[in-house]
Amino acid sequence: QKEVEQNSGPLSVPEGAIASLNCTYSDRGSQSFFWYRQYSGKSPELIMSIYSNGDKEDGRFTAQLNKASQYVSLLIRDSQPSDSATYLCAVNLMNRDDKIIFGKGTRLHILP
Amino acid sequence: EPEVTQTPSHQVTQMGQEVILRCVPISNHLYFYWYRQILGQKVEFLVSFYNNEISEKSEIFDDQFSVERPDGSNFTLKIRSTKLEDSAMYFCASRQGAIINQPQHFGDGTRLSIL
Repeated sequence: QKEVEQNSGPLSVPEGAIASLNCTYSDRGSQSFFWYRQYSGKSPELIMSIYSNGDKEDGRFTAQLNKASQYVSLLIRDSQPSDSATYLCAVNLMNRDDKIIFGKGTRLHILP
Repeated sequence: EPEVTQTPSHQVTQMGQEVILRCVPISNHLYFYWYRQILGQKVEFLVSFYNNEISEKSEIFDDQFSVERPDGSNFTLKIRSTKLEDSAMYFCASRQGAIINQPQHFGDGTRLSIL
């Protein structure tokens, strides 16, 4: 059973601070990793994708991947109240298996 | 920016009735998906579709479910005889596919309520 694990939270972070979200996955064959943001009652919105070990930065967001540890993280710098949402970690194998496996998500609350 | 569009946004149906959820994927995308999310739970894969046939389906996608691409733009999910436990948000997604590792883009979803 392929699993993606996340701490459900809520994670409370003061406005302007760095929010750190973590995710582990069980299948070593996973090749593509995504972070989606989901506001309550809305659809998942792609924030970051990462495919290689190391860091990938996009604006205030940095994704980190460590395939040896089967670990993915997302850092949000200068957190804003609008960042308050559930962050979904998602992985797929990208061979024949094309589906995305989602974690349950971490609820992030930015304190004004 | 191109979007995946889904209709209706909310569907209320009596148990046992058939329901069809509609999606218009992004126009140059080749791979299409349905996911569902029961309230408070994680997003779950239902089915993937490429080249006019199902590529993969999950255990959830039983004989009550079917998908179809009836024309060049629409992608539909049909549930033949709905059950209470089918109540969920249903998301359609698509990806272009020409470049490996492209992410999937999601529509706004259809909230299905079974009474």
